[in-house]
Amino acid sequence: TQLLEQSPQFLSIQEGENLTVYCNSSSVFSSLQWYRQEPGEGPVLLVTVVTGGEVKKLKRLTFQFGDARKDSSLHITAAQPGDTGLYLCAGRRDDKIIFGKGTRLHILP
Amino acid sequence: EAGVTQFPSHSVIEKGQTVTLRCDPISGHDNLYWYRRVMGKEIKFLLHFVKESKQDESGMPNNRFLAERTGGTYSTLKVQPAELEDSGVYFCASSQDWGPQHFGDGTRLSIL
Repeated sequence: TQLLEQSPQFLSIQEGENLTVYCNSSSVFSSLQWYRQEPGEGPVLLVTVVTGGEVKKLKRLTFQFGDARKDSSLHITAAQPGDTGLYLCAGRRDDKIIFGKGTRLHILP
Repeated sequence: EAGVTQFPSHSVIEKGQTVTLRCDPISGHDNLYWYRRVMGKEIKFLLHFVKESKQDESGMPNNRFLAERTGGTYSTLKVQPAELEDSGVYFCASSQDWGPQHFGDGTRLSIL
């Protein structure tokens, strides 16, 4: 049983379009994190959201933490080919990180 | 500042053999973590060191896996004997206090 479900698993869209990926859990997390992973590399932390309802922006990326702290979303505006990669949602429990399976995003030029 | 370094980047061995993976954390990071991603699954926690002590090894799959961190610097993860289901990517991460975990690029392990 997966603790963090990400959707969609795969997404292929044209450059310039907007997209949203989702991360859902039946459990409450004190914080949720989003990572990006490139082929042959380890996950790189993009953002941590801590407060229910919190919204954080990172250039064209907008991250939101659900009010109940069980879900999060990542919205990308005007996607670019450089956004292509694997996006991982993760929650911190004790001192370990629990990951979702990820959303593989492909932006077509 | 050098990041987390893992060696080797790839390893291909036969079932029944032994393999040792190494992780050099960021200098000064007392916390060192091992994670694993097997095909089709999410990245899963294996264990956590604080300096040379095992803080949490609840994710270790079985007693064929042995992790050490002598002297509280680099860590090794030995698999003996390797089985087919051990194939995957093994990641190491390190952190300072309760800060963010920084991941290495992983070791891709293939068991034939």
